[in-house]
Amino acid sequence: QKEVEQNSGPLSVPEGAIASLNCTYSDRGSQSFFWYRQYSGKSPELIMSIYSNGDKEDGRFTAQLNKASQYVSLLIRDSQPSDSATYLCAGSDRGSTLGRLYFGRGTQLTVWP
Amino acid sequence: ETGVTQTPRHLVMGMTNKKSLKCEQHLGHNAMYWYKQSAKKPLELMFVYSLEERVENNSVPSRFSPECPNSSHLFLHLHTLQPEDSALYLCASSQDLVGGQPQHFGDGTRLSIL
Repeated sequence: QKEVEQNSGPLSVPEGAIASLNCTYSDRGSQSFFWYRQYSGKSPELIMSIYSNGDKEDGRFTAQLNKASQYVSLLIRDSQPSDSATYLCAGSDRGSTLGRLYFGRGTQLTVWP
Repeated sequence: ETGVTQTPRHLVMGMTNKKSLKCEQHLGHNAMYWYKQSAKKPLELMFVYSLEERVENNSVPSRFSPECPNSSHLFLHLHTLQPEDSALYLCASSQDLVGGQPQHFGDGTRLSIL
């Protein structure tokens, strides 16, 4: 069974701080990972994709992947109240022919002014 | 036009009603998905379609019946639902079914069963 586990949170950080969201996965065949942001009452919105070991930076967001430890993280620098949302981690097996994504339960982040 | 559009946004129905959820994608994608999102649970994949052909049915009760008339439209027909079916139903699309691709979601239909 392919599973993705996220730190359950909720996570609360002050404005301007670094928010760290973590995710572990059970299937070593998983090769592609995605972070989605979901505001209350809205759909999940793709914010980061990462396919290889190391860091990937996009503006204030940095995704980190460590395949040896089966660990994915998302760092949000200079957190803003508008970053308050639930963050979903998802993994995918590139060899899959069904395009399946395996989602974690999500981590709720609150950034307070 | 936004990428993936779902209607209605909210739906309240009795257990004996029949209704349909609609999804339309404007991204030129070939694969479409239905998910159920309940509180405190991971997203549950319900159905997968590729080029109008159903390729996966994840042990979903027969009271949910999907339909994909073309690669841009996806429906979920509902009948004789149960209170535990109350949830957010999300439609998503991806370029195709090759693994490792991101999926793009619609805003969902919030379904409440009386």
